[in-house]
Amino acid sequence: GIQVEQSPPDLILQEGANSTLRCNFSDSVNNLQWFHQNPWGQLINLFYIPSGTKQNGRLSATTVATERYSLLYISSSQTTDSGVYFCAVESNTGNQFYFGTGTSLTVIP
Amino acid sequence: DSGVTQTPKHLITATGQRVTLRCSPRSGDLSVYWYQQSLDQGLQFLIQYYNGEERAKGNILERFSAQQFPDLHSELNLSSLELGDSALYFCASSALGTGVDEQYFGPGTRLTVT
Repeated sequence: GIQVEQSPPDLILQEGANSTLRCNFSDSVNNLQWFHQNPWGQLINLFYIPSGTKQNGRLSATTVATERYSLLYISSSQTTDSGVYFCAVESNTGNQFYFGTGTSLTVIP
Repeated sequence: DSGVTQTPKHLITATGQRVTLRCSPRSGDLSVYWYQQSLDQGLQFLIQYYNGEERAKGNILERFSAQQFPDLHSELNLSSLELGDSALYFCASSALGTGVDEQYFGPGTRLTVT
């Protein structure tokens, strides 16, 4: 299967700081999504981004499919951004879905 | 709120028992996916259904089975439960399930096997 590696595994930020989370994947993919798992366990869609760049408020994401990585940018972080950020990909050879191990983000006031 | 509903929210049962988890997809979505999230294995894809038919299988144990009904809701059946089956089980749905559409996740069912 596809290996999905996320870095860093853990991140602690002061409120207002910016950060970049990375997702590397080992093979070509059909699609890629970023999720935020909040402290209550809910998985919230952030971006559906198989390629290119998207922005939504303080968050933006870029996927370079040919180089097999995606980046999630969080600007002016807030305490509500705390939680675990996952990227997930689908293989292009048979509807298999793989999640990364996540980046645990803690934003302190 | 993603529009995907799952019941029950919590389930506590004993080893050897059988349970059924239920999922209703977003209105109009034809595809349903099941995932398991455990501390040691992370988030793992179990199985996908599209319009009532099984489309893809992931790391689903033989003791587990699923189906999607004509009204598109889905059930995940877990039998002969073991302690290691304790996990958060998520259902997701997407419009087509062709691999080029976005998955939306339900709130999950937390299963505890004692």
